[in-house]
Amino acid sequence: GAGVSQSPSNKVTEKGKDVELRCDPISGHTALYWYRQSLGQGLEFLIYFQGNSAPDKSGLPSDRFSAERTGGSVSTLTIQRTQQEDSAVYLCASSTGTGGYEQYFGPGTRLTVT
Amino acid sequence: KNQVEQSPQSLIILEGKNCTLQCNYTVSPFSNLRWYKQDTGRGPVSLTIMTFSENTKSNGRYTATLDADTKQSSLHITASQLSDSASYICVVSIGAKAAGNKLTFGGGTRVLVKP
Repeated sequence: GAGVSQSPSNKVTEKGKDVELRCDPISGHTALYWYRQSLGQGLEFLIYFQGNSAPDKSGLPSDRFSAERTGGSVSTLTIQRTQQEDSAVYLCASSTGTGGYEQYFGPGTRLTVT
Repeated sequence: KNQVEQSPQSLIILEGKNCTLQCNYTVSPFSNLRWYKQDTGRGPVSLTIMTFSENTKSNGRYTATLDADTKQSSLHITASQLSDSASYICVVSIGAKAAGNKLTFGGGTRVLVKP
């Protein structure tokens, strides 16, 4: 079946602009995660959604970052007033649950802020 | 502070040889430990998941070990192939419900297999 998909695959934006990154999780997966991978760095947790529960936003680095998950499926990560330090690969993952459930990652969106 | 440290940072091996990657963690409370393979430009793909009670788990030529007492894990690659060239990431899941089962990622070990 189809895996996790993300769009766009690459995004170049000017400093100060807003960007939206999209994630389509595997159908039926109730949990969805966003991570950030900066050049030469490990993955950094940003936010996760589980079913209808309030999202865990504890990893968001600033109030310029927000995410929504509509209808329990597609998610959008929005970065407002982008800064150069926001340049990274943004990865989305989904799973059938949390805890020991396997997370399946998308290919990521490479964001470059000039 | 919950941390996952991996060594070495990078490794070059000849095709057909074996290698072992190390992972030390201080994450608490521990839920499970995962090893992921990440090809360049791709998302990570799971190799193994081990819980507290598991000492070893294999997936083809990949064998992971876990010592929950010393908080160490290793990933052994047997008879390496060119396609094994990738970053290998050790990931530990926090067990506390309040933590939302976030994953703590190591910095990865970049493996290059040469013919």
